[in-house]
Amino acid sequence: GEDVEQSLFLSVREGDSSVINCTYTDSSSTYLYWYKQEPGAGLQLLTYIFSNMDMKQDQRLTVLLNKKDKHLSLRIADTQTGDSAIYFCADGPAFNKFYFGSGTKLNVKP
Amino acid sequence: DAGVTQSPTHLIKTRGQQVTLRCSPKSGHDTVSWYQQALGQGPQFIFQYYEEEERQRGNFPDRFSGHQFPNYSSELNVNALLLGDSALYLCASSSKTSGLETQYFGPGTRLLVL
Repeated sequence: GEDVEQSLFLSVREGDSSVINCTYTDSSSTYLYWYKQEPGAGLQLLTYIFSNMDMKQDQRLTVLLNKKDKHLSLRIADTQTGDSAIYFCADGPAFNKFYFGSGTKLNVKP
Repeated sequence: DAGVTQSPTHLIKTRGQQVTLRCSPKSGHDTVSWYQQALGQGPQFIFQYYEEEERQRGNFPDRFSGHQFPNYSSELNVNALLLGDSALYLCASSSKTSGLETQYFGPGTRLLVL
């Protein structure tokens, strides 16, 4: 089955840029996604990229996709304390299934 | 426009009991997927419902079953609960009809099995 991997933790200072990385194994997915989860809450869709694109920018968020290396990254510019959360990358649909990584916990220090 | 709603928000059950969780999809969506998120883990796909049928299933036993109603809302049923079923259960909706398969999630139901 599909395997989506993320690093577990990232710590940055307020105002710096954050880069969260993700690797995946299945190249048949249509889209790749980034979700944000705050404590005790569901998943909030942040952004997504079509699998034939290289880059997508959405305000402070930049998504880069390297399809050859099966690597996805999320860059958050001017990171704020409100950005502290767990970030999940996901891909799908592949035969109606979506696959999630185990999440990267972003800690933003003031 | 209401997003995805789930009920109840929290639930406590004992081993061996049965539980039913409910989900109403986002307006305009026709597809509902269910996920189990254990503490410290990413969501694991349980199954997806479209046109009132289960379209795909993840690696979950038959104790997990579901249903989709004509109004697209859905239920997740878990029988013979085990301690390991304690988790956050997330519902996500999307639209196959419009080709927009991006999933939007509800707030989840937190299930504790004692």
